[in-house]
Amino acid sequence: EAQVTQNPRYLITVTGKKLTVTCSQNMNHEYMSWYRQDPGLGLRQIYYSMNVEVTDKGDVPEGYKVSRKEKRNFPLILESPSPNQTSLYFCASSLGTGGHQPQHFGDGTRLSIL
Amino acid sequence: SQQGEEDPQALSIQEGENATMNCSYKTSINNLQWYRQNSGRGLVHLILIRSNEREKHSGRLRVTLDTSKKSSSLLITASRAADTASYFCATDRYPSGGSYIPTFGRGTSLIVHP
Repeated sequence: EAQVTQNPRYLITVTGKKLTVTCSQNMNHEYMSWYRQDPGLGLRQIYYSMNVEVTDKGDVPEGYKVSRKEKRNFPLILESPSPNQTSLYFCASSLGTGGHQPQHFGDGTRLSIL
Repeated sequence: SQQGEEDPQALSIQEGENATMNCSYKTSINNLQWYRQNSGRGLVHLILIRSNEREKHSGRLRVTLDTSKKSSSLLITASRAADTASYFCATDRYPSGGSYIPTFGRGTSLIVHP
């Protein structure tokens, strides 16, 4: 089954403790991205990747890192999480770049930073 | 920065009625997509309309695009309780020096009462 898998689904942690949210897709998609969803703000893109070893900042990249060492994986790293990063995070992928490609979303990771 | 904005923010209707939600955007686009998000889940792609198209259908969904008014509408006909979800429009944005960034609105929350 074609899917985007995120782990963990839920995480409660404390300020400053490094964490990684994994994302994997099995569709051989080139384009992958991370979003955060906050009430009243909709989805905002954090980082995206057009292919292996090619990443770039989205609209809200501060406090986050990403890497794309393999085509299928695109982990999101919070080196020193802070409470303002408490949010619902989504990973998405699409076959290619460009707004004509539909994106496939994971089921989300709910992060709470205390 | 917010590109698409959905209207209304919330919509409550009875089963069998039609639901119409609108999306306005600020800058020229090449494509516009609509997504659905069930509570606690990731977004699911519904339909894509290109800038040179005026109307598109998919099952009970009808999407229109008016590039002169920079707006789009999503019509769900004969709604069902299972249509209860949030609906988002997404437009493509190309910041200077960067690649394509899909930009989502804040969404319309639709409740369909049985």
